[in-house]
Amino acid sequence: ETGVTQTPRHLVMGMTNKKSLKCEQHLGHNAMYWYKQSAKKPLELMFVYSLEERVENNSVPSRFSPECPNSSHLFLHLHTLQPEDSALYLCASSQDGRLAGGAGTGELFFGEGSRLTVL
Amino acid sequence: GENVEQHPSTLSVQEGDSAVIKCTYSDSASNYFPWYKQELGKRPQLIIDIRSNVGEKKDQRIAVTLNKTAKHFSLHITETQPEDSAVYFCAAAGAGSYQLTFGKGTKLSVIP
Repeated sequence: ETGVTQTPRHLVMGMTNKKSLKCEQHLGHNAMYWYKQSAKKPLELMFVYSLEERVENNSVPSRFSPECPNSSHLFLHLHTLQPEDSALYLCASSQDGRLAGGAGTGELFFGEGSRLTVL
Repeated sequence: GENVEQHPSTLSVQEGDSAVIKCTYSDSASNYFPWYKQELGKRPQLIIDIRSNVGEKKDQRIAVTLNKTAKHFSLHITETQPEDSAVYFCAAAGAGSYQLTFGKGTKLSVIP
C-alpha cells in the first residue's frame, strides 16, 4: 500500500452527468497531482497542487475542475465530458512539488487510478 | 516544453537475457530522470532515477546511464525474470520544475 487511495476505481458516466473523482494521501506529502493515462500515449500531467495552491494547469479543458481543500485531499470534478475523455485518471503525491532540486526525493507515489468511461 | 522519446515501444526477451530501453529528451535544462514500472492493472512505481551530476547508477539488476551531451538516458535490466514483465516509462524534469514529462512507455515481455 503506497498510501495514496483513489475512489471510485471505476466510473461510467454520460456526457451530461456531473461526477467527481477523489484522491487521498496518507504520506504527509506537500504536493498532489492528476495525470491522465490513455492507451499508447504518455502519461499526461493535468494539474499540480503544492501546499494546496495550484501551480500547474496544462491547458486542460474547463470540463475538468480540480479542487484541493487540504494537502491530503484532491478532487477532480467532471462535467459534460466527451467520449475521448475516457481514460485512467491517476492521482499522485510527492514530498515536494519541485521534483528536481526540491526538498524531497522527486518520487511520485501513484494511486491505483480511476477508470473513467464516458458514453 | 520538454519532449521525451522512448524506444522501443515493445520488447521481448528470453528469461536470463538483458533488456535495454532508451530515451531521449529535448530540454538541456532537464536534470532529473526517473524510470517507472507499471505492471498490468497496477499503479506506476519508481524503480530507479538519476540526476545530471552522475553518469550511471546501479541497483542490483537494474542500471541507468545518462549522457547529457547527447541528451539521452537508458535503462538496463540484466538477468531478466518473468516478474520484470511490465510497461516501463522514462521521464525527465528540470530544476525546480513541478512537471515530469513521460515517454510513451515500453512493454517488456520476459519469456520463460
